[in-house]
Amino acid sequence: LAKTTQPISMDSYEGQEVNITCSHNNIATNDYITWYQQFPSQGPRFIIQGYKTKVTNEVASLFIPADRKSSTLSLPRVSLSDTAVYYCLGGGNQGGKLIFGQGTELSVKP
Amino acid sequence: GAGVSQSPSNKVTEKGKDVELRCDPISGHTALYWYRQSLGQGLEFLIYFQGNSAPDKSGLPSDRFSAERTGGSVSTLTIQRTQQEDSAVYLCASSPGWGGRETQYFGPGTRLLVL
Repeated sequence: LAKTTQPISMDSYEGQEVNITCSHNNIATNDYITWYQQFPSQGPRFIIQGYKTKVTNEVASLFIPADRKSSTLSLPRVSLSDTAVYYCLGGGNQGGKLIFGQGTELSVKP
Repeated sequence: GAGVSQSPSNKVTEKGKDVELRCDPISGHTALYWYRQSLGQGLEFLIYFQGNSAPDKSGLPSDRFSAERTGGSVSTLTIQRTQQEDSAVYLCASSPGWGGRETQYFGPGTRLLVL
């Protein structure tokens, strides 16, 4: 059974680097790994996506090992506004269902 | 351009009543998704559409739930004989196509409260 798991919560302080790891044990060959961010009372929004190795954009980096069974979202120098829930989506077609991780609630403190 | 919109933004209903939730996807997006998010919980996938077709309805929680999409655009999620456990935020998303590489664009959600 496809399963995507990630830590329930994490705490950090402003200016630190935060790494959130997600495991997606049944990812298919043609699936990509996508991370979303959700603020309270809003829908999730796209952060970053990758297939393998490393991807970097203006807000985050995504590290994917060769076996692609996990991925790590890296947020450099977090600020208070990065406090949110982060969701991992490992795969776009698992029997027709999209399986998000349960979300990691990141709390950034001053 | 306009993003995904959902209506109503909030809905309070009595147990046993039927409700309809509407989603207007981004123009031109062929794929549309419905999710449910209970208080403090993650995203529960319900159903997706490719065009007007929903290939797999097994994610719908019960036969009280149904969804349709017409004209390859607007979608409606209907919950019949609502129960208190149906209370949640119902999120809709759309993407240009279907597949593991497509980015989903989410609407703000409809907050449903069943009394």
